[in-house]
Amino acid sequence: EIVLTQSPGTLSLSPGERATLSCRASQSVSSSYLAWYQQKPGQAPRLLIYGASSRATGIPDRFSGSGSGTDFTLTISRLEPEDFAVYYCQQYGSSGYTFGQGTKLEIK
Amino acid sequence: EVQLVESGGGLVQPGGSLRLSCAASGFTFSSYWMHWVRQAPGKGLVWVSRINSDGSSTSYADSVKGRFTISRDNAKNTLYLQMNSLRAEDTAVYYCARDLWAYGDLDYWGQGTLVTVSS
Repeated sequence: EIVLTQSPGTLSLSPGERATLSCRASQSVSSSYLAWYQQKPGQAPRLLIYGASSRATGIPDRFSGSGSGTDFTLTISRLEPEDFAVYYCQQYGSSGYTFGQGTKLEIK
Repeated sequence: EVQLVESGGGLVQPGGSLRLSCAASGFTFSSYWMHWVRQAPGKGLVWVSRINSDGSSTSYADSVKGRFTISRDNAKNTLYLQMNSLRAEDTAVYYCARDLWAYGDLDYWGQGTLVTVSS
């Protein structure tokens, strides 16, 4: 099973700042099968990025994804108040589907 | 508008069974792979199971293999999760989700249904 490790566990930033979230895989992941989700308290997750770098429908362009192999990054260029939430990376491989443990993005 | 509505959650004793349902609308249900994902209180997301579009192929997390069964009725636009031999560690909110491309990208999610396993 591929393990996804997200860092940092918690990121404290102010609105307007840039956020960089990391997702590291225990084995190489096909870029086609790496996604990022946002989850706010009491809500279901929302797909942000698929295929490592493609924005899902309706996702603002301040969200971007990059990376390949074992290292992937979600970048939020300028934080808006509504961006403070928990973010998860997720992969699909031969051994199934796994999520990272999440990064909580909180207001500083 | 795409909608996924889960039902069937509740309180069940250890060793008991429960069947979750997910009613789909607003899209051609029979064309999409579907998943169940769970989230224990205060914890992260954990993938549970997946079924392909015609129901001929399924996949499970090791933690539920042999105890849970995913199925679908494309005529009724409904996804199911039969959960047997439930354990305390199965306590979670269970979400159904649509797979955008069959690549594991879950683009629509239901609101979730809470399953509590306790005596």
